[in-house]
Amino acid sequence: KAGVTQTPRYLIKTRGQQVTLSCSPISGHRSVSWYQQTPGQGLQFLFEYFSETQRNKGNFPGRFSGRQFSNSRSEMNVSTLELGDSALYLCASSLTGASTDTQYFGPGTRLTVL
Amino acid sequence: GDSVTQMEGPVTLSEEAFLTINCTYTATGYPSLFWYVQYPGEGLQLLLKATKADDKGSNKGFEATYRKETTSFHLEKGSVQVSDSAVYFCALSDRTGSARQLTFGSGTQLTVLP
Repeated sequence: KAGVTQTPRYLIKTRGQQVTLSCSPISGHRSVSWYQQTPGQGLQFLFEYFSETQRNKGNFPGRFSGRQFSNSRSEMNVSTLELGDSALYLCASSLTGASTDTQYFGPGTRLTVL
Repeated sequence: GDSVTQMEGPVTLSEEAFLTINCTYTATGYPSLFWYVQYPGEGLQLLLKATKADDKGSNKGFEATYRKETTSFHLEKGSVQVSDSAVYFCALSDRTGSARQLTFGSGTQLTVLP
């Protein structure tokens, strides 16, 4: 079974631009979560989607948004990019998002904001 | 809120040495506990998990036991290999409320020397 895929793998943007990242979950998985990884803040939860509905959101500004499609694929968008948004963005999928479910991670998208 | 405290790194060991990485947690509910590993340039891979007290997770020679009385989930391996060099993250997923997210520790960098 194919794992979680994320595109693109690397992205370079300038301040003020916006960016869209894509995630395809493992087949059959309906929950998709997004995390931001930085050297200073570590791994932080952004949001979680299930059946096209956002069920949970982390403590990030409104510039960070996401959505999920009917095939469970998910996108996240960051508008008005800031230097501090430079990070590795990780997508994870699980069957239902229950606390006992294992979340399987993709390789991440490395975003650099100049 | 929920939190995970991990042993500060980096940790450097010789091949075949014994490994312990300490992890303690604070949670409002009754969490599931996970250890993830991240190799350079990659996403997170699940190493092992435990979903209830006294459960022992194990994989690839690594073990961790869910200790509710001490709120701990320490990672151990009897004999490390050079290929175990990576960053290790302890994480929890709480069962209460709308928590469908992983809360991570800060990560422990392990280097194994031949």
